[in-house]
Amino acid sequence: GESVGLHLPTLSVQEGDNSIINCAYSNSASDYFIWYKQESGKGPQFIIDIRSNMDKRQGQRVTVLLNKTVKHLSLQIAATQPGDSAVYFCAGWEGGSYIPTFGRGTSLIVHP
Amino acid sequence: DVKVTQSSRYLVKRTGEKVFLECVQDMDHENMFWYRQDPGLGLRLIYFSYDVKMKEKGDIPEGYSVSREKKERFSLILESASTNQTSMYLCASKTGGLAGDRTDTQYFGPGTRLTVL
Repeated sequence: GESVGLHLPTLSVQEGDNSIINCAYSNSASDYFIWYKQESGKGPQFIIDIRSNMDKRQGQRVTVLLNKTVKHLSLQIAATQPGDSAVYFCAGWEGGSYIPTFGRGTSLIVHP
Repeated sequence: DVKVTQSSRYLVKRTGEKVFLECVQDMDHENMFWYRQDPGLGLRLIYFSYDVKMKEKGDIPEGYSVSREKKERFSLILESASTNQTSMYLCASKTGGLAGDRTDTQYFGPGTRLTVL
């Protein structure tokens, strides 16, 4: 079955630095991924997604990279701001599935 | 924008009580989900529904039931609340069909933090 996990539980950065949050998955049939941001006391919010036919996708200050060879994806946040402090987690879907598998989350702490 | 609302942000109940958590979405989504979120364990699927009156068990259905009488509303029921059901409960919805497109993103509600004493 699918297994999606994160390498680091907590990431501390200084304001203005770039942040990189990593996620590994085990099921090579996974073909769609989403990064979510969850602020304290709130539900997860969609940040960016990527399909398996892509290796990079950019949004506003965020970039997701997908390496299918090693089954790894990352979320890069440019010029990290205090408002970026949150838990970030990835979710992966296997083609044909309604149900995603979620990573456990990385807590990003941005110091002013 | 998709809006998913949950009936309560915080709820305190006693052991043995019957608890209802309500979720409503306003985007005519076919699929709705109930998760619980616990520190260190991430999101775990309790039940999901792909149509009115249809339901499927997720990974941890024991101690829970669900009801989907109308398309926009998905209720989670704790028949007899226990302390190990203290958790954050998250509802989500998405369009019908399978994952792979931006439109198939799951949208989450704000969560209900349930404490069972």
